[in-house]
Amino acid sequence: DSGVTQTPKHLITATGQRVTLRCSPRSGDLSVYWYQQSLDQGLQFLIQYYNGEERAKGNILERFSAQQFPDLHSELNLSSLELGDSALYFCASSLTGVADTQYFGPGTRLTVL
Amino acid sequence: GEDVEQSLFLSVREGDSSVINCTYTDSSSTYLYWYKQEPGAGLQLLTYIFSNMDMKQDQRLTVLLNKKDKHLSLRIADTQTGDSAIYFCAETSNQAGTALIFGKGTTLSVSS
Repeated sequence: DSGVTQTPKHLITATGQRVTLRCSPRSGDLSVYWYQQSLDQGLQFLIQYYNGEERAKGNILERFSAQQFPDLHSELNLSSLELGDSALYFCASSLTGVADTQYFGPGTRLTVL
Repeated sequence: GEDVEQSLFLSVREGDSSVINCTYTDSSSTYLYWYKQEPGAGLQLLTYIFSNMDMKQDQRLTVLLNKKDKHLSLRIADTQTGDSAIYFCAETSNQAGTALIFGKGTTLSVSS
């Protein structure tokens, strides 16, 4: 158990809908990362937050957004969902967000029908 | 661009050693990582190596780093059926903060 929690574990929804994925980092970690794992693209970095502020952006679509709250939990919002958004979404956390080890949560499996 | 390459499959017998190879592109990566993913599970950090090291050993795991060739390997001694999983090599991006750039993963199959 990495100490990073993600909810829900599974999510099934329809095209065009909007969903919110939630992540709680390990106790004491200030930085949160979101990654997407799909069969065709592999594991891709989406976005990073540090202590409530966005720090880095990767291949995140404009339909997707995220935030980190004062209690350091983070939410990833996915809107106007398409079939191709079906994937496993991972959250990771690290202490400082600068060249330190990232610990991953169990992931949320999103299925868009 | 940034790219991490790994072979896709490796099949070994129980008790043998497994060697999983990886090549990376960013010579400025501070750390290089190995993660393990079991079916239906998240990513488990196995080990990592600091870029100024050549080798790191941790119980049955040995990581070798060749900076000149940008080659990283993970050796698992006395491989067990419980080691069957997907193994990901990762480097730190130089374009997106400290995000990790992952390879496609090597599926290790261990037969008894």
